[in-house]
Amino acid sequence: GEEVAQTPKHLVRGEGQKAKLYCAPIKGHSYVFWYQQVLKNEFKFLISFQNENVFDETGMPKERFSAKCLPNSPCSLEIQATKLEDSAVYFCASSQSPDHEQYFGPGTRLTVT
Amino acid sequence: GESVGLHLPTLSVQEGDNSIINCAYSNSASDYFIWYKQESGKGPQFIIDIRSNMDKRQGQRVTVLLNKTVKHLSLQIAATQPGDSAVYFCAEIRTSYDKVIFGPGTSLSVIP
Repeated sequence: GEEVAQTPKHLVRGEGQKAKLYCAPIKGHSYVFWYQQVLKNEFKFLISFQNENVFDETGMPKERFSAKCLPNSPCSLEIQATKLEDSAVYFCASSQSPDHEQYFGPGTRLTVT
Repeated sequence: GESVGLHLPTLSVQEGDNSIINCAYSNSASDYFIWYKQESGKGPQFIIDIRSNMDKRQGQRVTVLLNKTVKHLSLQIAATQPGDSAVYFCAEIRTSYDKVIFGPGTSLSVIP
């Protein structure tokens, strides 16, 4: 597609439950990035992929967060045992290459109660 | 304005005036810079970019200035319109690391 698509738009989970977010990058873009934005503040980089391979995962809280980009499927970001501090908007972005502009999706707002 | 805790720096301008939004970036090795605009409830939208071999780049109503000596980036918006009201983020990319680092954001309010 011509836009990055993210689903769902909103997600509410009780503390300790699992949350799974999806992202479909722009067709032809081989790089996918996930960011976390808390309270309209800075974007915290989580992880990036080059096609289905993890490119950079230095931002991922590894004990509860995981992500995948499998061929012919939307990319996913999964949070096991969500905590209150995971409440944020999670953005996915895609680009042709790491030093080209990233196109962002509309985000998924995760609320952990 | 100043950034304190979770509060965004804010800039209020009169419609029709020019706006200047500033950003200090962190690493002298960064070689690609982007300005994004984020409207309420939406994802960041690309505005303009500049590479480190340039010090100025112009788009439609927007100009980005890069001062590598002091690691400073600015976005100038000419004849600011109400539709320009948003949060603006600068982003730096170190292509050798292939990671985008976002600045804290500045909230621009345009007074009609």
